[in-house]
Parts: sequence; C-alpha cells; structure tokens
Amino acid sequence: KQEVTQIPAALSVPEGENLVLNCSFTDSAIYNLQWFRQDPGKGLTSLLLIQSSQREQTSGRLNASLDKSSGRSTLYIAASQPGDSATYLCAVGGNTPLVFGKGTRLSVIA
Amino acid sequence: DADVTQTPRNRITKTGKRIMLECSQTKGHDRMYWYRQDPGLGLRLIYYSFDVKDINKGEISDGYSVSRQAQAKFSLSLESAIPNQTALYFCATSDAGTGLARGNEQFFGPGTRLTVL
Repeated sequence: KQEVTQIPAALSVPEGENLVLNCSFTDSAIYNLQWFRQDPGKGLTSLLLIQSSQREQTSGRLNASLDKSSGRSTLYIAASQPGDSATYLCAVGGNTPLVFGKGTRLSVIA
Repeated sequence: DADVTQTPRNRITKTGKRIMLECSQTKGHDRMYWYRQDPGLGLRLIYYSFDVKDINKGEISDGYSVSRQAQAKFSLSLESAIPNQTALYFCATSDAGTGLARGNEQFFGPGTRLTVL
C-alpha cells in the first residue's frame, strides 16, 4: 500500500527566503506526482504535475523535482512571500487514484 | 464560472438523516472522485469513477454511496449520517491520459463542509 509522508508538518520562514518542502513515498511504481496548495477552509489548487518519466517541472517561482528510485520529491519555492502562506500537499498517482500526504503548513512572515 | 462545482457548500444535519452532496464539472473529464478531509488525517478517497458505467470503492467507502448520473455529474450520498462523518468533502476530476502520461492532473472543487449533529 502506497504511503506518502511530508516533513516537516509545519514551517515558518521570513519573507524572501528560498525554501524546500519534502515529500517521500514508499512504492516507486508511480505514474505521476502532483503538488497542491490549500488555503484554510478552501479547495486544493494544482501547482505542478510531474510525470514518472520527468525529473522536474517549473512554474514561476516554483520548481518540483522527482526521484522515483529513492521515492522522493521536493518543492522548491524561491524568494518566498507572505502570500505563499498555505498548506502544501503532495500526492502520488499509480495504478490507483492519488494518495495524499498530510501536508506541510507554511507560514511566511513579513 | 468554476470548472468543478459542489453543492451545497455548507450543510448541517442531524444523525440518521440522508444527505446528498452533488458535484458537476465542465472540464469534459471522464474521471471523477470523492474525498473527505479531516484534521490530522489528510485527504482520503471515498469513491471514484473512471466513466459513467464504472464505480469503484476507495479507502473509506463504508457508510457512503455514489451515483454517476452523467459524464459531468457525480453525487455522494450518506444514507444515515453519523457524527464521525463530519468533515470537509471534495470532488475532483481528471482525464484518463494516454501513453506515458497515464495519470493526468486532478482538479478539485471548492469543497462542502458537512456537520452531523
């Protein structure tokens, strides 16, 4: 059974810092990995999707990498802003629908 | 207009009542999903449907049922609501993907906050 872990559960950084969020998964037989952002009480917004054949994807200040063999993905956020404060979730897709981690709650302090 | 809509957005009900949550999408996707989110437990899959004639149980289907009325509509029912079904419920959609892109991007609705008293 696929398990997805995100560490740390919460992170607080000053504005302007570059930061990395981590995601690990137990079964490397995946089709894709997706990173989402969730604001409190709101729905999930897709940030980046990495197919299993890809190593990384970039969108603006965000860069996500995927290392299938080691069961790891990272989400890099450059020059963080207070508006980046949210919970970030990673989810892994395989033969079954997405399996989610519990998320990292990010606070960017002005 | 939003691509994935959920109704109602908020609902308070009593133990034993039958509740239906509805999801509609205009993305033209074949695949639809229902999840619930609880503090500390994350998102868990309840049911999913890969096309109109396909219904599959997810991780936590007990106490729930679904209906795929059309490609664009997927409803979740709680036959007899109980307090531990109090949660935030999300509908999501994706297309099937082809070739190496076996799993494509999922898009989520805004959620329904359900409280069972």
